Amino acid sequence: AQSVTQLDSQVPVFEEAPVELRCNYSSSVSVYLFWYVQYPNQGLQLLLKYLSGSTLVKGINGFEAEFNKSQTSFHLRKPSVHISDTAEYFCAVKSWDGQNFVFGPGTRLSVLP
Amino acid sequence: ETGVTQTPRHLVMGMTNKKSLKCEQHLGHNAMYWYKQSAKKPLELMFVYSLEERVENNSVPSRFSPECPNSSHLFLHLHTLQPEDSALYLCASSQDTGRANIQYFGAGTRLSVL
Repeated sequence: AQSVTQLDSQVPVFEEAPVELRCNYSSSVSVYLFWYVQYPNQGLQLLLKYLSGSTLVKGINGFEAEFNKSQTSFHLRKPSVHISDTAEYFCAVKSWDGQNFVFGPGTRLSVLP
Repeated sequence: ETGVTQTPRHLVMGMTNKKSLKCEQHLGHNAMYWYKQSAKKPLELMFVYSLEERVENNSVPSRFSPECPNSSHLFLHLHTLQPEDSALYLCASSQDTGRANIQYFGAGTRLSVL
């Protein structure tokens, strides 16, 4: 079984500053990794995913994430955030056979003017 | 617009009521899911349907009863709920339940049980 840890429950950051949202996972098998974003009063929307290949993955809205197998991490980054990035961000892990899909507890990103 | 529509968006019900949540996907997917999102807790997978057959049921109380009449529609029938069942209920769909498939989520139904 997999588990996902998002160490920061809340991250406040000023507009145009860089941000990193941390995600660590544990798994005994190979995994696929995902970041989802949930804007207020909406469902989850896929930001980016890592399935294989390059460990640096680019997603929508200027976000990117880097898969680090040795550290079992998949941190999400954006070099310059906007007010509109204020949302909840969820890291998720799926086992290679697709049988287990686990979400982290979420990180609430608040972008301040 | 993700192609997954949930109705109603908000629902308030008493503990003795019976209500149903509806989910419809316009993506041609074969798998559909119900999740429960409670405050300060990770997203909880409740049910998984693949080609209208239930393939996963994660120890959900019997007061929640899913129904999948076809691959485009998924219902969650609710009866005699408890206040702790108040949460955001999210529906998702994917091409199938295979390993690399992406799940697309609806906007959710915000349920309040009084």
